[in-house]
Amino acid sequence: NAGVMQNPRHLVRRRGQEARLRCSPMKGHSHVYWYRQLPEEGLKFMVYLQKENIIDESGMPKERFSAEFPKEGPSILRIQQVVRGDSAAYFCASSPPRGTGGNQPQHFGDGTRLSIL
Amino acid sequence: AQSVSQHNHHVILSEAASLELGCNYSYGGTVNLFWYVQYPGQHLQLLLKYFSGDPLVKGIKGFEAEFIKSKFSFNLRKPSVQWSDTAEYFCAVSPQGTYKYIFGTGTRLKVLA
Repeated sequence: NAGVMQNPRHLVRRRGQEARLRCSPMKGHSHVYWYRQLPEEGLKFMVYLQKENIIDESGMPKERFSAEFPKEGPSILRIQQVVRGDSAAYFCASSPPRGTGGNQPQHFGDGTRLSIL
Repeated sequence: AQSVSQHNHHVILSEAASLELGCNYSYGGTVNLFWYVQYPGQHLQLLLKYFSGDPLVKGIKGFEAEFIKSKFSFNLRKPSVQWSDTAEYFCAVSPQGTYKYIFGTGTRLKVLA
């Protein structure tokens, strides 16, 4: 499967623990986006990253949430000291570099469903 | 603020019925428009997209959408649905020249066999 790979598919954490969500973009894609979907709501933009750079994190909560996309390896969305309200589906998307044909559709992974006990 | 509205949250149809899902957005500038589908337990898949040109866009699996600029709408249609079209459908808007996607809340379609 050469698509966007997210793991784990399901993650259960207790309040106060840390959650790490991983995303490997499609081959040839250097742009990664993270979205959060709360029950009965649409996907909400969180952060946009390129390799080793955070381009836009305007959708990220100011505390406890961080994201990275290192030179090697997957992009990581980290949530520290999780609370019940963090329970949601977290989707990662990727796209090729801009300029390779203009705006390119984002391709989505299967998502990670995070449950906080 | 930019927003996308999908007014139908749940739609139930019988097989062979025609489908139209509404999508309206609020943004004054030029936009790119998308419909994504999410089958149960699967990831979002691109159904179709509009960047420019013919406002009637044909996508995969017999779906089409029409961009009506004056109405800020991008409704999804299919003349005859099948049981396998049961899924959740998301409309998304991206202001041209940006990377941000603004999603609607989704429409859950159930097709009865």
